[in-house]
Amino acid sequence: QVHLVESGGGLVKPGGSLRLSCVGSGFTFENYYMNWIRQAPGKGLEWISYMSVTGSFTNYADSVRGRFTISRDNAKNTLYLQLNSLRVDDTAIYYCARGTVAARHWFDPWGQGTLVTVSS
Amino acid sequence: QSMLTQPPSASGTPGQRVTISCSGSRSNIGTNFVNWYQQFPGTAPRLLNYENNQRPSGVPDRFSDSKSGTSASLDIFGLQSEDEADYYCASWDDSLNGWVFGGGTKLTVL
Repeated sequence: QVHLVESGGGLVKPGGSLRLSCVGSGFTFENYYMNWIRQAPGKGLEWISYMSVTGSFTNYADSVRGRFTISRDNAKNTLYLQLNSLRVDDTAIYYCARGTVAARHWFDPWGQGTLVTVSS
Repeated sequence: QSMLTQPPSASGTPGQRVTISCSGSRSNIGTNFVNWYQQFPGTAPRLLNYENNQRPSGVPDRFSDSKSGTSASLDIFGLQSEDEADYYCASWDDSLNGWVFGGGTKLTVL
């Protein structure tokens, strides 16, 4: 069964940093694009970033570009998101989601999410 | 700010057909497929429909999507109480080289 499990969320002060992790199982992790998507409390979904199978291609939403960095370790079946210079409006549940063999297809499945709270 | 536009709410009675619309632009819906996601309170979204009315296994065929120009829609036939959830459309955007979502539609079964 395909499974994604995020971790690393928590409470952090504005300007602080966190690193989120997403471990995949039940599929060949290195064959899939991976994504991060977030959802602020009571709000809709916002795509954050994607990374290609080898990590050669990435892109970010304008709202996080220059502050967040996506990476992956295929040997560990793990996707990461480094969050720096965090702001109050970065408070959200962060989901990782599997893509396909290309960036522009769909997200399936999603992890259960990890909550990041930015507050002083 | 969402790049795709959905109505914030929709409703229907059991057995009815409900349609949720999703409007975009040439760089997203006009050029690429639209995917639909279903989210129940407190849970992660799940893929509902993708790429020209394909459905993952386990999704009933009561859910059907279509696209015309820069707009798309999700039809739910034979509405059931368990369909009460939030629904999101999403599409790849060529100008952003990334994904855009709709703001979500909260479906209420009366």
